[in-house]
Amino acid sequence: DVKVTQSSRYLVKRTGEKVFLECVQDMDHENMFWYRQDPGLGLRLIYFSYDVKMKEKGDIPEGYSVSREKKERFSLILESASTNQTSMYLCASSGDRYEQYFGPGTRLTVT
Amino acid sequence: GESVGLHLPTLSVQEGDNSIINCAYSNSASDYFIWYKQESGKGPQFIIDIRSNMDKRQGQRVTVLLNKTVKHLSLQIAATQPGDSAVYFCAEILYYGGATNKLIFGTGTLLAVQP
Repeated sequence: DVKVTQSSRYLVKRTGEKVFLECVQDMDHENMFWYRQDPGLGLRLIYFSYDVKMKEKGDIPEGYSVSREKKERFSLILESASTNQTSMYLCASSGDRYEQYFGPGTRLTVT
Repeated sequence: GESVGLHLPTLSVQEGDNSIINCAYSNSASDYFIWYKQESGKGPQFIIDIRSNMDKRQGQRVTVLLNKTVKHLSLQIAATQPGDSAVYFCAEILYYGGATNKLIFGTGTLLAVQP
């Protein structure tokens, strides 16, 4: 079974803090993704990566950056957290098939 | 997550009945579709997929139907059980070219199974 893990299930940060969300997959997948999920808006793609050190902007990249130094790990960075970044963050990975496998999510609250 | 079900259309069914969840997709060029299930507090989980050259595909207790003429997808769950209670999303695949594929998700439907 594919396993995608995320470093925290729940996180509370203050406005202006730098926040790191970590994601690790154990299936040697090339592609990794970061989404945020908000009520009524569904899943929206923030960034994705199709190879180590490669990254592409998704639909809502503003206020975020990413890092992929190793194939199994994809990090999402909030340089200066704001209250409108309070959300559920989901990481996913995919290999040579289309379906993406998701982690359990990190519920981030910015106060 | 816990708040995913808010603001979503809800389908309420009795245990043992069949459920039909519908989805309209946006891009006539999409050639692959997936249904995901998201239980409260968990990430989305793959259920079943279908390619655009098919109009029906069956899995265990689930069937997906694809109508490309009207860009409509449905998920049928036979003999619905309490464990089927979740938010269900459809996703269409847009080929990104070269490297990877982008999923476009519907907003989801909350399935509530009454015992």
